[in-house]
Amino acid sequence: GDSVTQMEGPVTLSEEAFLTINCTYTATGYPSLFWYVQYPGEGLQLLLKATKADDKGSNKGFEATYRKETTSFHLEKGSVQVSDSAVYFCALRDQTGANNLFFGTGTRLTVIP
Amino acid sequence: EAEVAQSPRYKITEKSQAVAFWCDPISGHATLYWYRQILGQGPELLVQFQDESVVDDSQLPKDRFSAERLKGVDSTLKIQPAELGDSAMYLCASSLIGQDTDTQYFGPGTRLTVL
Repeated sequence: GDSVTQMEGPVTLSEEAFLTINCTYTATGYPSLFWYVQYPGEGLQLLLKATKADDKGSNKGFEATYRKETTSFHLEKGSVQVSDSAVYFCALRDQTGANNLFFGTGTRLTVIP
Repeated sequence: EAEVAQSPRYKITEKSQAVAFWCDPISGHATLYWYRQILGQGPELLVQFQDESVVDDSQLPKDRFSAERLKGVDSTLKIQPAELGDSAMYLCASSLIGQDTDTQYFGPGTRLTVL
């Protein structure tokens, strides 16, 4: 079945450091891929998405490229801020028509000043 | 900005009691989802509605969980009786029409603790 494997955390970085959170997936066909972010005390928010191979999603300085050859969708940011501290979830949506999302286990990021 | 509303935000109950959670999706969103997020894990879909109809409830433990969306707008998720293992965050999400291109918008969740 469909699944997402996400880099385990927690991750602690200093402000302005480079961030990479790894995500790989298993799915039949060509799923859409997502990164969601969950700030403390809030619900999940869509951070970025990509719907086909080689697409790059980007938002708020974060980027992720849909790599079909490596079945990956790694999240990157060149310079993190304290306000980026949150839990990040990689997710996929298959093409069975049900629009169901399959989430990874989440990676907690803490950015220290 | 329109948001998905959920209540209560926190619920503490004893095992064998009944609990209910409420969700009001973004106005005009036909598709509504209930997810369960166990601490340290990602959300898992429990049930999906398209208007008032259940589209997918294959992961809903039907012996104790029920969900309804009678008028195709707001929704209630019920657990009866609650068990210790039900302690989790219950998330509601909605999307416009449920197609592949839709974005799901999540509410703040209800954190359930079963003692």
